[in-house]
Amino acid sequence: GNSVTQMEGPVTLSEEAFLTINCTYTATGYPSLFWYVQYPGEGLQLLLKATKADDKGSNKGFEATYRKETTSFHLEKGSVQVSDSAVYFCAPSFTGGGNKLTFGTGTQLKVEL
Amino acid sequence: DAGVTQSPTHLIKTRGQQVTLRCSPKSGHDTVSWYQQALGQGPQFIFQYYEEEERQRGNFPDRFSGHQFPNYSSELNVNALLLGDSALYLCASSLGGGGRNTIYFGEGSWLTVV
Repeated sequence: GNSVTQMEGPVTLSEEAFLTINCTYTATGYPSLFWYVQYPGEGLQLLLKATKADDKGSNKGFEATYRKETTSFHLEKGSVQVSDSAVYFCAPSFTGGGNKLTFGTGTQLKVEL
Repeated sequence: DAGVTQSPTHLIKTRGQQVTLRCSPKSGHDTVSWYQQALGQGPQFIFQYYEEEERQRGNFPDRFSGHQFPNYSSELNVNALLLGDSALYLCASSLGGGGRNTIYFGEGSWLTVV
């Protein structure tokens, strides 16, 4: 069946450190892939997306590449800031599921000075 | 351009009561979905509405029902509330039901059942 597995948190980094949050999926087809971010007490904001293999989504210094071979969509940022502290969700939209999103468990990121 | 708007922002209900949450989709969007997010968890899909009909449903009991109006706005109704229904309820909208379409979320309605 279709599923998504996301790196567990919390992740604590110093400002300007490199960030990677792993996300892998299991699918019978080729899903569209999304990363959402949730700041404390708020709803979800779309961070980036990729809809086909080898696509790279990017926004606000964050990047993720759709890797069909490894069924992964890892989130990266070269230099994190304190303002990046939030919970990050990997969310595939699986083939045949319309645009229903399946969310990972979320990874909490805390960036310290 | 207004994004997805939800009301109320916060509410407290007693076990056994009923609640109605409301959502206005982003301008130009015709598809509305509802998600439940328990504390510390990822959102779980409840159902999706398009052309005033429920098109998809997640693993939620019949106590959860919804409606979509001709102007694409939507309501989520929960009957016979349980303590476990306490959660953040998120409304999401998109243009059409294609899997590649970007889905936008509202700020959510925080429901506490006591």
